[in-house]
Amino acid sequence: DTAVSQTPKYLVTQMGNDKSIKCEQNLGHDTMYWYKQDSKKFLKIMFSYNNKELIINETVPNRFSPKSPDKAHLNLHINSLELGDSAVYFCASSQGGHRQPQHFGDGTRLSIL
Amino acid sequence: ILNVEQSPQSLHVQEGDSTNFTCSFPSSNFYALHWYRWETAKSPEALFVMTLNGDEKKKGRISATLNTKEGYSYLYIKGSQPEDSATYLCAQHNTNAGKSTFGDGTTLTVKP
Repeated sequence: DTAVSQTPKYLVTQMGNDKSIKCEQNLGHDTMYWYKQDSKKFLKIMFSYNNKELIINETVPNRFSPKSPDKAHLNLHINSLELGDSAVYFCASSQGGHRQPQHFGDGTRLSIL
Repeated sequence: ILNVEQSPQSLHVQEGDSTNFTCSFPSSNFYALHWYRWETAKSPEALFVMTLNGDEKKKGRISATLNTKEGYSYLYIKGSQPEDSATYLCAQHNTNAGKSTFGDGTTLTVKP
């Protein structure tokens, strides 16, 4: 059983479009995260939700809006896609706090044409 | 140190060699250091969570140490095998909120 699953795995779209990436975890964790892996392969935190509440919101353009309908899901919606949004986006979950490791999804590769 | 830094950036060793690499981090407001292993085309997997100065953790041939006063952690791999080839990431937590800052990783290639 996949613990943290993201869909789609690949997303190719035109500049200016709006798209969503979905993430679901079946680990019973109460905290979920979105990371962006940039062109230099660095993992940068974007958002974190704890029990459906936003707890971390890094400096990310407001075209990116996370939504957590319940604590098992954290979706990422991106408006007006730009070329610079091309990256791999990783979802992760943890039981929260600093003593718990994060469990990652397989990533969604977003390519903007 | 203001950010989480890892060195070296990449490492090539022969099968059977032992190796180690470093994660440096700000020593103030330290809560925890996590190590992850990230194989190509997969997602990062947790190796260790370390919280106390002097912590030593071990999993098979891989071990890690932590010095929170001087702000570094070492990851050691004994008798490297080709399947150890991966990028090893460290992430520091400086709050209790689960927010972590990742280093850039050390990419290890083990040649048979």
